[in-house]
Amino acid sequence: KAGVTQTPRYLIKTRGQQVTLSCSPISGHRSVSWYQQTPGQGLQFLFEYFSETQRNKGNFPGRFSGRQFSNSRSEMNVSTLELGDSALYLCASSLDTGTVYGYTFGSGTRLTVV
Amino acid sequence: DQQVKQNSPSLSVQEGRISILNCDYTNSMFDYFLWYKKYPAEGPTFLISISSIKDKNEDGRFTVFLNKSAKHLSLHIVPSQPGDSAVYFCAASASNQGGKLIFGQGTELSVKP
Repeated sequence: KAGVTQTPRYLIKTRGQQVTLSCSPISGHRSVSWYQQTPGQGLQFLFEYFSETQRNKGNFPGRFSGRQFSNSRSEMNVSTLELGDSALYLCASSLDTGTVYGYTFGSGTRLTVV
Repeated sequence: DQQVKQNSPSLSVQEGRISILNCDYTNSMFDYFLWYKKYPAEGPTFLISISSIKDKNEDGRFTVFLNKSAKHLSLHIVPSQPGDSAVYFCAASASNQGGKLIFGQGTELSVKP
């Protein structure tokens, strides 16, 4: 079966711009979570969506937001980009909320802010 | 507040020997632990997991040990192969936190032929 698909793979944006990243979960998976990976902070949880509702949120500023559609696909948006937002953004899908069983990650979107 | 710690940034072992990667945690609410393998510019790949009701789980060459009293887990790879060279992350979750994983900083394993 197809894995978790993230688009685009690479992105370069300018400070102050906004960006939208997309994640298509594994077929049948209804929960999508987002993570940010940076060299200094490692992998950090951004938020989780299930049934189009945010179920859990990490410790990130309000510039980071997301949403989930009825087909479980998810997008995350970062507004007013800062240099420190340069990172690998990963999404993971799982069958249901409240569980990490079957948690599968996509290959990520590498965002560079210049 | 680093709830999950991997104190060794790197580890080098000879092919055929045992690799032991360690992880410590502070939150006693964690009840499920996972190990992931990661290559640069790719997403983490699930390796093996363990529930807090167990103290050992084995899958082929990979074994994870959990010591709840010490809040410590370890991943053993036997025998180590050059293809095992990657960054390994341990992660923890708590039932009341849903689909949220807390990751350690990772240990880069290098297996030399």
